[in-house]
Amino acid sequence: EPEVTQTPSHQVTQMGQEVILRCVPISNHLYFYWYRQILGQKVEFLVSFYNNEISEKSEIFDDQFSVERPDGSNFTLKIRSTKLEDSAMYFCASSPKRGEKLFFGSGTQLSVL
Amino acid sequence: AQSVTQLDSHVSVSEGTPVLLRCNYSSSYSPSLFWYVQHPNKGLQLLLKYTSAATLVKGINGFEAEFKKSETSFHLTKPSAHMSDAAEYFCVVSDRDVAGNQFYFGTGTSLTVIP
Repeated sequence: EPEVTQTPSHQVTQMGQEVILRCVPISNHLYFYWYRQILGQKVEFLVSFYNNEISEKSEIFDDQFSVERPDGSNFTLKIRSTKLEDSAMYFCASSPKRGEKLFFGSGTQLSVL
Repeated sequence: AQSVTQLDSHVSVSEGTPVLLRCNYSSSYSPSLFWYVQHPNKGLQLLLKYTSAATLVKGINGFEAEFKKSETSFHLTKPSAHMSDAAEYFCVVSDRDVAGNQFYFGTGTSLTVIP
């Protein structure tokens, strides 16, 4: 079965540094998402992306965050200046149709020191 | 507004006994409902989904869920628990009729299976 792939699986960074989390969604999917899960907490929605633009974003997704689909294949999440509280598991997901099931990647564990 | 409530944060069962993980939702529109499982240090895997077809949905690994509109519930069941079922389970709702395409996660239920 096709998979969503995320790289790296673990990322350690210093507070204030920029990080880019990379995702390759399933090739014929049209809707893309980022979610995060802080240790011991619920999975939280960050942003959804369709037709080369953000379609929805949560309060968490402030000016420090951005997403991009630079080449029709990758879907990236950038955090401009990381904070300690950004430490979490970040999941990328894609879906072929609106409201259809999400296919999740295995996540990137981000640790901000 | 859409939301999901998973009534139990932890469930513990003996191997071979039935599993019941409870989920209630609120939705202003026609919901799609999903159960995802997360094993330790793994990503989220879809167990099953409801999208307005049969109200009793069969998923992978012997899991089932029944959509009950009158009770706004979508409880996950399995007749006989295996040790490999120990994981975190998330109930998820998505509204199919609104312009947005956000999925709402419950807080998760941690399932422990006792040998």
